[in-house]
Amino acid sequence: QTVVTQEPSLTVSPGGTVTLTCASSTGAVTSGYYPNWFQQKPGQPPRSLIYSTTDKHFWTPARFSGSLLGGKAALTLSGVQPEDEAHYYCLLYYGNANWVFGGGTKLTVL
Amino acid sequence: QIKLEQSGGEVKKPGASVKVSCKASGYSFTSYSISWVRQAPGQGLEWMGWVSAYKANTNYAQKFQGRVTMTTETSTNTAYMELRSLRSDDTAVYYCAREGWDLVDYWGQGTLVTVSS
Repeated sequence: QTVVTQEPSLTVSPGGTVTLTCASSTGAVTSGYYPNWFQQKPGQPPRSLIYSTTDKHFWTPARFSGSLLGGKAALTLSGVQPEDEAHYYCLLYYGNANWVFGGGTKLTVL
Repeated sequence: QIKLEQSGGEVKKPGASVKVSCKASGYSFTSYSISWVRQAPGQGLEWMGWVSAYKANTNYAQKFQGRVTMTTETSTNTAYMELRSLRSDDTAVYYCAREGWDLVDYWGQGTLVTVSS
């Protein structure tokens, strides 16, 4: 069974920079996994931030960026704002129309 | 604007079935697929499967194969997810989301399904 692993929790200070990562039990994450990143706040549906590793939607704030880092997908927040406190989930594509979510990272802004 | 509107919450007994609907608007329904994702209370997101709105072909996560059916109705731009033989651990919020070939972007508001005797 494929497992996608994220940091369970991270803490960052307002105005700081933090990088969340997303690893696959099958090996290095590449662009072929089309990494997607989502933000979810309590009581709300997830909101898509990044797709296909680095691409942003028109609604994605500029401080969010996606990349590949050391065999993992990564989401970097630069100049963190208090409203960025949320859960963040990655989603990887495993072919044949199969997707798998990571377990999520709870980001605290403190 | 693009919107996915889901049906209301459901309470079901163990062993029953539930069918959740997802009505899409604001885009060409058959140009995208619909993914279904669930989230148990206090837990993370779980991808359940996918249905093509164009060809109606499907792919289900192995965990749900044999117990889930995903369909679409192009005349009403609506997708459906039916889950059978419900158990208490199926209690969750069920989301539909629009899926392209490399992305999952717009989400429905979620439907709470509670399984309880």
